[in-house]
Amino acid sequence: SQTIHQWPATLVQPVGSPLSLECTVEGTSNPNLYWYRQAAGRGLQLLFYSVGIGQISSEVPQNLSASRPQDRQFILSSKKLLLSDSGFYLCAWSTWDFGTPLHFGNGTRLTVT
Amino acid sequence: QKEVEQNSGPLSVPEGAIASLNCTYSDRGSQSFFWYRQYSGKSPELIMFIYSNGDKEDGRFTAQLNKASQYVSLLIRDSQPSDSATYLCAASMDSNYQLIWGAGTKLIIKP
Repeated sequence: SQTIHQWPATLVQPVGSPLSLECTVEGTSNPNLYWYRQAAGRGLQLLFYSVGIGQISSEVPQNLSASRPQDRQFILSSKKLLLSDSGFYLCAWSTWDFGTPLHFGNGTRLTVT
Repeated sequence: QKEVEQNSGPLSVPEGAIASLNCTYSDRGSQSFFWYRQYSGKSPELIMFIYSNGDKEDGRFTAQLNKASQYVSLLIRDSQPSDSATYLCAASMDSNYQLIWGAGTKLIIKP
């Protein structure tokens, strides 16, 4: 069966510090991978998605970036965090075809102080 | 702009009753529809998906789709306090890997 791992679970970082969140998927090949952010009490905001190694689509211009160095690894990064980057970050995967459900990791709660 | 609309709630339902959650979508090209449950502080969990007009049942849950009216619903029978959560509706985009998300409906099951 497929599993998705996301870490860390919680993170407190000062403004201006770098960020690296990692996500890996097991049990499937060539998944679509997604990074979402959810602000407190709000809906899901798609940040990035990838349909293959090295391919990244950005949905929201901001100081975050994403990379996919391996088929089942997705990394979210920032060189300098802003207060507005605080939120609940969710990695998700789906199979490669259109219209299939997303499966989420447990999320990372990021607080920028 | 393609949208999925949900009543934010909270929707309060007595234990044992049927909870009815509704969702409308704007993209006529959407073919797949999903219901997720999200407990406070947790990630969304897929409950059901539906592709065809009509009803789809899974245990206490029934998803209903009406493409002509661009309407999706989720019925929860014999509601339990553990069903208290925020329910997110999502629709696929035509020829696109993304989903359009509603903001969610908060459901409270009162014992």
